[in-house]
Amino acid sequence: AQSVTQLDSQVPVFEEAPVELRCNYSSSVSVYLFWYVQYPNQGLQLLLKYLSGSTLVKGINGFEAEFNKSQTSFHLRKPSVHISDTAEYFCAVTQRPGGFKTIFGAGTRLFVKA
Amino acid sequence: DAGVTQSPTHLIKTRGQQVTLRCSPKSGHDTVSWYQQALGQGPQFIFQYYEEEERQRGNFPDRFSGHQFPNYSSELNVNALLLGDSALYLCASSDDRPGFSGGTDTQYFGPGTRLTVL
Repeated sequence: AQSVTQLDSQVPVFEEAPVELRCNYSSSVSVYLFWYVQYPNQGLQLLLKYLSGSTLVKGINGFEAEFNKSQTSFHLRKPSVHISDTAEYFCAVTQRPGGFKTIFGAGTRLFVKA
Repeated sequence: DAGVTQSPTHLIKTRGQQVTLRCSPKSGHDTVSWYQQALGQGPQFIFQYYEEEERQRGNFPDRFSGHQFPNYSSELNVNALLLGDSALYLCASSDDRPGFSGGTDTQYFGPGTRLTVL
């Protein structure tokens, strides 16, 4: 079984400041890792994913994440946030080799202030 | 490419009623999964359909059932609605065959159906 823990329920940050959203996971098998973003009253949009290879993954909208197997973490970062980045962010895992159910964290609300 | 589409957008029902939600997968995708997202929480897996059969199921009662059609579209049915069934219901599609490699290992989500049970 897998589980995902997002360590911060809310992260307030000023515009143009850097941000890190933390995610830890637990699994007895190999997993794929994902970050999704959800804007108010919308579905989930894929930000980035780690399947294999380089542990630093770049996604859309200037976001990146680093897979750390020893610490079972997959933290999301952005060097300079914009007001438009205000949204709910979800970390998720799915068992390899693919096609299995996705387990989501509870979400982190990123609030960017002017 | 229209992506994953869902209908209706919003729905209001009363306790005890039945509801059917619909989903059309992204072009080229044949696996459809359904998730329930309660307010302030992350999505919870309900079940997955592939080749018109339920392949995986989450911890949801039998009141939740589904169907997949030959064109890969899917329906989610909920019977005997409870107040606690109020949520955003998300459909996701992929080209992955459950348990096998060879797909893109990525799900794409629709905009969801907001169900309110009064």
